[in-house]
Amino acid sequence: DGGITQSPKYLFRKEGQNVTLSCEQNLNHDAMYWYRQDPGQGLRLIYYSQIVNDFQKGDIAEGYSVSREKKESFPLTVTSAQKNPTAFYLCASSYRVREPQHFGDGTRLSIL
Amino acid sequence: SQKIEQNSEALNIQEGKTATLTCNYTNYSPAYLQWYRQDPGRGPVFLLLIRENEKEKRKERLKVTFDTTLKQSLFHITASQPADSATYLCALDNNAGNMLTFGGGTRLMVKP
Repeated sequence: DGGITQSPKYLFRKEGQNVTLSCEQNLNHDAMYWYRQDPGQGLRLIYYSQIVNDFQKGDIAEGYSVSREKKESFPLTVTSAQKNPTAFYLCASSYRVREPQHFGDGTRLSIL
Repeated sequence: SQKIEQNSEALNIQEGKTATLTCNYTNYSPAYLQWYRQDPGRGPVFLLLIRENEKEKRKERLKVTFDTTLKQSLFHITASQPADSATYLCALDNNAGNMLTFGGGTRLMVKP
């Protein structure tokens, strides 16, 4: 079955540590996205990519980095510069930007 | 500034009634408006997309309206069931047309 896989489901980060969240899709979508969701709030866009080897900052990119070396993969690194990283992180993809997005089931990141 | 508003208070209705959720926006001129459903601890799931030149869209028990003059979309679930209980998010494309922006969502509780 086609879909988006995020791993791990739960992740713990120590102070000063970088962590990388995985996102893989087999839907043959060109566009991929990373969102952050805080309790009781909507989704805020961190980064998006319209095509391989290209990505753009969203509304809250500071403290995060991404890469898009393959069409299927769009990993997100939460760097030590992100001072409040505790949140639910969602990855999504679509054929093109603005079109309906398919979401993974998220990674919940917490600070030790 | 651009803003998308959904009622942050939960909507409680009785099974069998029609649920109506509201999405209001300011300083956007979206070509598309989308509705998603999100269950706790899961990623959102796409439900319906409506274009600016469409006034109404239906899918089974779901109906969406889009009034670009009022800058409002209404999302209706007829003959609601307890299984419809979830958070519903609206999303619209930004004025540059290169990303979706999500509202904060409205939690719907359908009581048997």
